[in-house]
Amino acid sequence: GAGVSQTPSNKVTEKGKYVELRCDPISGHTALYWYRQSLGQGPEFLIYFQGTGAADDSGLPNDRFFAVRPEGSVSTLKIQRTERGDSAVYLCASSPRLATDTQYFGPGTRLTVL
Amino acid sequence: AQTVTQSQPEMSVQEAETVTLSCTYDTSESDYYLFWYKQPPSRQMILVIRQEAYKQQNATENRFSVNFQKAAKSFSLKISDSQLGDAAMYFCAYNTDKLIFGTGTRLQVFP
Repeated sequence: GAGVSQTPSNKVTEKGKYVELRCDPISGHTALYWYRQSLGQGPEFLIYFQGTGAADDSGLPNDRFFAVRPEGSVSTLKIQRTERGDSAVYLCASSPRLATDTQYFGPGTRLTVL
Repeated sequence: AQTVTQSQPEMSVQEAETVTLSCTYDTSESDYYLFWYKQPPSRQMILVIRQEAYKQQNATENRFSVNFQKAAKSFSLKISDSQLGDAAMYFCAYNTDKLIFGTGTRLQVFP
């Protein structure tokens, strides 16, 4: 079946602009995760959804970052007033149900803030 | 807080040979899961192998196997009969409710 998809693949924006990154999980997966991967680093957790609700948003760096999953499927990560330090690859993953199930990753969105 | 350490930034291996990638972690939990993921230049994180901490038997997936030492909090990955397609970044990860990753090891495979 189809894997996790993310759009856009690449996004270039200017400092101060607003961006939205989309994640479409594997069909039927109730758990969805966002991670951020800076150059030369491992991915860092941002937020975890179980269904429509954010079960853990402890990784969001500040209030400029927000994520939604209104119908329990597609999720959107929203970044306001982007800063150059937000430049990174944003990875989305989904798992069947439990947080301890294996997580399957999408190809990521590379965000560049000029 | 849980941490994951990969002390080898880069490793290299000859095709058909065996290589071992190291990983240590720190946790006070007794029940957790450990993973190795591969990330080629395409950026897609691909699951290589998974180990449940309550299982004493080391996980194996074809040419990939782990040496899980729970008391030492060590979780190394052995790749046998290395192939050119194994070249990638390899990340060790710990999971109780979210994945915590190490900084990765870049594996080069020489013909």
